[in-house]
Amino acid sequence: AQKVTQAQTEISVVEKEDVTLDCVYETRDTTYYLFWYKQPPSGELVFLIRRNSFDEQNEISGRYSWNFQKSTSSFNFTITASQVVDSAVYFCALSEAMKTSYDKVIFGPGTSLSVIP
Amino acid sequence: EAGVTQFPSHSVIEKGQTVTLRCDPISGHDNLYWYRRVMGKEIKFLLHFVKESKQDESGMPNNRFLAERTGGTYSTLKVQPAELEDSGVYFCASSQAPRGGGKNIQYFGAGTRLSVL
Repeated sequence: AQKVTQAQTEISVVEKEDVTLDCVYETRDTTYYLFWYKQPPSGELVFLIRRNSFDEQNEISGRYSWNFQKSTSSFNFTITASQVVDSAVYFCALSEAMKTSYDKVIFGPGTSLSVIP
Repeated sequence: EAGVTQFPSHSVIEKGQTVTLRCDPISGHDNLYWYRRVMGKEIKFLLHFVKESKQDESGMPNNRFLAERTGGTYSTLKVQPAELEDSGVYFCASSQAPRGGGKNIQYFGAGTRLSVL
């Protein structure tokens, strides 16, 4: 069965600190996709990244970086030099690629990040 | 380019009433999904349209929920009659049909917050 766990319910950091959001997933498939979405106070879910299960390279995009490790089934997200605008709920998610090409996304419970000025 | 839009942003109704939520996907996106997040729970898949056809409705909770996508453009999700446990945020997402296989990213709207009193 598919499952995504985000053990951190809420995190508070002071502006300019680095913060890592943890994500652990479960799937029986060998081919799958992992995602991170951001939900700011305005409510929409904003796509941040998609990672194919065959691509374990870490990715960096500005202050954001992602560490994908299949050995530990983890896909952690780090924000460097956090800013107040980073305050949001962050969701890690999973979808299996071997079913239809348009599969449903399984979400983790989310981590609420508060960046304090 | 307009993103996924949902209407209304917030709906407050009494138990037993009917409510219809609307989703306008990104133009050209054949795939349309409905998800919901009820209080304290994770975001859960409800159903998936490919154009006007229901591809997967395994997540629909019961027959009080009816989703339609006539003409393959916008979609509506009707709850009739609404119950207290239907309260939550209903998200819509859309994605392109993949070319050459592989998955496309689901882009989400801001959601409709439904409160059943």
